[in-house]
Amino acid sequence: QKEVEQDPGPLSVPEGAIVSLNCTYSNSAFQYFMWYRQYSRKGPELLMYTYSSGNKEDGRFTAQVDKSSKYISLFIRDSQPSDSATYLCAMSARGKLIFGQGTELSVKP
Amino acid sequence: KAGVTQTPRYLIKTRGQQVTLSCSPISGHRSVSWYQQTPGQGLQFLFEYFSETQRNKGNFPGRFSGRQFSNSRSEMNVSTLELGDSALYLCASSPSPSGGYNEQFFGPGTRLTVL
Repeated sequence: QKEVEQDPGPLSVPEGAIVSLNCTYSNSAFQYFMWYRQYSRKGPELLMYTYSSGNKEDGRFTAQVDKSSKYISLFIRDSQPSDSATYLCAMSARGKLIFGQGTELSVKP
Repeated sequence: KAGVTQTPRYLIKTRGQQVTLSCSPISGHRSVSWYQQTPGQGLQFLFEYFSETQRNKGNFPGRFSGRQFSNSRSEMNVSTLELGDSALYLCASSPSPSGGYNEQFFGPGTRLTVL
C-alpha cells in the first residue's frame, strides 16, 4: 500500500463548478501537507501548504487537513478553464516529500 | 530571478547506456532534490543534496546517483539504462534543507526515453 493515495481521475467539470480533490495517507509522521499544480510539459508549482489540521483559504482555493482521519482535501470554487491541470498532494516527514499520484482535472468552458 | 533550469529537456538513449542530467537551482538556493515522474508510479523522490552532501535518498537502485557542486548546481547519473527508466526527471531547489517545511521550486524536467 502506498503511503499517499490519490484518485488519478481524470476529472471533468463544467466551468464554474466546485471541485473537490482528496488524498489519504497512512504515515502519522507527516507534518506538512501541500498541494501542487502541474500544467502539461511543466514542473509542479506549489499552490498551498498547511501544517496543522483545519482549513486554509487562498482566493478560490481552500485546503483542508484532517489529521485524525489522515485525509486532506483541496477545494476549488468557481473553477475556470485555466485550472485545467494535474493536481498533486504532497506530504513531508524526515526531509522527504512524498507525492500522491496526481488527479488530472479538466474544466470545460 | 531565473527559475530552476534543467538540461537537456529531451533525451533518447538505448538500453545499457548511461545518461547525465543537469540542474541549475535558483540563485541562492543550496538544496537540490531530484524526482522521477512516471504515469504508473507518479512522482517519486530520488535524492536530496545540500552543500555538496547527499542528505536523503529514496528507494532507487544504485544505478541512480547524483552529486552537487560548490555552486549548488547538481547532476544526476543513471547507468546501465533500462526501459523502465523512461520518465520525466524533475529537479527542485529550495533555500535550505527539507528538514521542516521549505517550499521547493521545480524545474521543467528532462524527458528521458529509453529504447
